[in-house]
Amino acid sequence: DGGITQSPKYLFRKEGQNVTLSCEQNLNHDAMYWYRQDPGQGLRLIYYSQIVNDFQKGDIAEGYSVSREKKESFPLTVTSAQKNPTAFYLCASSRDRDSGNTIYFGEGSWLTVV
Amino acid sequence: AQKVTQAQTEISVVEKEDVTLDCVYETRDTTYYLFWYKQPPSGELVFLIRRNSFDEQNEISGRYSWNFQKSTSSFNFTITASQVVDSAVYFCALSDAGGTSYGKLTFGQGTILTVHP
Repeated sequence: DGGITQSPKYLFRKEGQNVTLSCEQNLNHDAMYWYRQDPGQGLRLIYYSQIVNDFQKGDIAEGYSVSREKKESFPLTVTSAQKNPTAFYLCASSRDRDSGNTIYFGEGSWLTVV
Repeated sequence: AQKVTQAQTEISVVEKEDVTLDCVYETRDTTYYLFWYKQPPSGELVFLIRRNSFDEQNEISGRYSWNFQKSTSSFNFTITASQVVDSAVYFCALSDAGGTSYGKLTFGQGTILTVHP
């Protein structure tokens, strides 16, 4: 099936640890995005990438890092510098950088700090 | 700056009732795109509709309909004869065509819709 696959679905992190969330798409989309969702709030953009080997900070990039070595993959690392990482993380993709293109989302990953 | 406001935090209806979810947006651009997404309990955001700023024609898709009015900067979503499966969080979102936004979405805070049997 075509789509966006995120893993793991649930992840627990200890204080001071870095964790990486995986995002893979087989839609042949050029653009990929990471959003964060907190309870009772809308989604906020963390990072986005329009092409391989290039990515840009979104609205809340502090404490996060990404890479885009392959077109189909856009992993997100939540570093120990992120003060409040407990949230629901959604990966997304769109055909290209045209703002009119529809953005499609994966099923999300829940990250909890213990 | 872009902003999307969904004033209704939660709505509760009984099955078969019609329900309208409100969305008001702000943008300085003349070209922009509006979206509605549904988020069921599983978490995935499901795309429902995209509308560009030059197309004010209302759209109907089954029990869903959308009313886009540029004069009031609103893009409201109506579910006719609601069903329990419609229970979800619904997000309105905006993407403008200018500057460095490059397709990123600005989301409203979402409206939790609960449809009771």
